[in-house]
Parts: sequence; C-alpha cells; structure tokens
Amino acid sequence: GAGVSQSPSNKVTEKGKDVELRCDPISGHTALYWYRQRLGQGLEFLIYFQGNSAPDKSGLPSDRFSAERTGESVSTLTIQRTQQEDSAVYLCASSRTGTRSYNEQFFGPGTRLTVL
Amino acid sequence: AQRVTQPEKLLSVFKGAPVELKCNYSYSGSPELFWYVQYSRQRLQLLLRHISRESIKGFTADLNKGETSFHLKKPFAQEEDSAMYYCALSTGTASKLTFGTGTRLQVTL
Repeated sequence: GAGVSQSPSNKVTEKGKDVELRCDPISGHTALYWYRQRLGQGLEFLIYFQGNSAPDKSGLPSDRFSAERTGESVSTLTIQRTQQEDSAVYLCASSRTGTRSYNEQFFGPGTRLTVL
Repeated sequence: AQRVTQPEKLLSVFKGAPVELKCNYSYSGSPELFWYVQYSRQRLQLLLRHISRESIKGFTADLNKGETSFHLKKPFAQEEDSAMYYCALSTGTASKLTFGTGTRLQVTL
C-alpha cells in the first residue's frame, strides 16, 4: 500500500505569509507526528496526534505554529506569519499506534519550506 | 529532558572495514532506542530498535545502560551502507522520538 505522503514537496514563501503543509498518513495508523529538520540539525519533534485524544503540542516552537487532524486521517500543519528561521524540512510520520513506544514510525518524504 | 548525541557528523570507511556509529543518550528512565537510516533520495526509515535485538543488513546495536550508549556496528562495511544514520530515543507511551543530529557514513572502495 501507499506510504505516508506529504504535500507540497517544496514551498517557497515570503516572510510574513502563512503556509499550510499537508500529511496523509498510512491508512489505519492512529498515531501521527510532525517533526522539523533545520539545516545541519537533527529532527525536532513538533506535535503528536493519537486517535481522539488531545494532541501533544509540547514541541511547537511558538504560537504561530498549529496543527489539526481530521479523525485518523489527514493532518495539516499551519505556520502563520512565517519567519526565516522557519525554513526547514517538515517531516510527517505515522505509526499503528502511539501507545507503544517501540512502534515503528513511517516517515513521509517531507516538505522543504524556504522563507525568503 | 532527554537528549541524544551523535558525536561524528561524517564517518568515512573503506569497503570491508568495520563500522561503528556512536550514539549516547541522556534520560533518567528506561528509554527505547532506535536507529533510523536515510539513503540518498529516499525517505527516513527504521533500521533497527533495541527491543528487537535483531541484526538488520548486518548491523547490530546493543543498549549499554551503564554507559548510556547505543552504538551501531557492522563488521564489514558495504558500499550500499553509505547513508545518513540517526539515533533516536523514545520515552513513555507517547512514542515521540528525540533524534540525534545524524552521522553520514561514507563507504569507499
């Protein structure tokens, strides 16, 4: 079956504009994660959704960042009033469940965001 | 807070030589440790997890709680092992991963 998909693959925007990034997880996966990878750095956790539970937003760097998920399907990550330091690759991952810490996370190809 | 350290940005070895990619972590509880790999133009994927105690593509990793390490080893490097390797840690039930900064493994002839 299809893996995790993300769109767009590349996004160039101007400082101050809002952007929306989309993630389609693997069907049946109840857990969904967003990570960010800035140049030369490791992946940073942003937000985690597990079923109908309240999302874990502990990794969001500021209130300009928000994310939603419709049931156990698509998720969108929104960045408002983008800044140059938001430039990064944004990765989405899904796993069968988030309640077992050893579960494999399947990653999407990422969205490369460039803020000019 | 937990932390994962991969001290080498780049590790270059000859084909057939042994490989050891270092990973150290800091976490006061019992973590789950993983190695993820990203081959050129491919997406990040799981290589192995400590709980499985498995060998994948000839790679093994042993969790050493005393040294808080989870080094990745392979006795004989192959060209196809060239990739970016990330060590990652998961805690509790939330399964969110804390990643190291990654080590690029370059296997040359």
